[in-house]
Amino acid sequence: GQNIDQPTEMTATEGAIVQINCTYQTSGFNGLFWYQQHAGEAPTFLSYNVLDGLEEKGRFSSFLSRSKGYSYLLLKELQMKDSASYLCAVRGLGNRDDKIIFGKGTRLHILP
Amino acid sequence: GAGVSQSPSNKVTEKGKDVELRCDPISGHTALYWYRQRLGQGLEFLIYFQGNSAPDKSGLPSDRFSAERTGESVSTLTIQRTQQEDSAVYLCASSSAEGAAKNIQYFGAGTRLSVL
Repeated sequence: GQNIDQPTEMTATEGAIVQINCTYQTSGFNGLFWYQQHAGEAPTFLSYNVLDGLEEKGRFSSFLSRSKGYSYLLLKELQMKDSASYLCAVRGLGNRDDKIIFGKGTRLHILP
Repeated sequence: GAGVSQSPSNKVTEKGKDVELRCDPISGHTALYWYRQRLGQGLEFLIYFQGNSAPDKSGLPSDRFSAERTGESVSTLTIQRTQQEDSAVYLCASSSAEGAAKNIQYFGAGTRLSVL
């Protein structure tokens, strides 16, 4: 089975940096995803990590440590529009367990 | 179509009635997922179709829930004898099976189900 944990809520200030952590336990691992979901909207893809290390994409970066079952999403130069839920998701490994499972999401509040 | 299409966008039903939700994935996407999202909660996995393989139904919460997919096209999620606890947004996502694109799920706008 798969278990994914991330903080329920976080608050940060416009222009600052915030790090959202995600830990997971899976019987097999074949990639970790981060999605952004604004209230009332569908999730949209942010990043994908399958190897250890940092993936940078503009103001957003995602880090993975497979040995620790740990990832974080780093958001820099926060803007008010970054107020959203951030969902960590993991893909299992194998023909019968390669589905993608989501954590409960972290609601990020940005203060002016 | 250009994106994942779900219908209806909103559905209000009475307790005990059956409902059918439809998902039209992106053309050529072999993988299709259904998730349930209750208000303020995360995405709860329901079922996963991959090509012609048997679907992974491990997330369906009860035998009142079922889903079908015709080939690599439209999928329908059916909820029989709806209960108030079934009220949620039902999200469908599809992804390609090949290359880097297989790692990106594209979501529909969802069906908001309200059971009175």
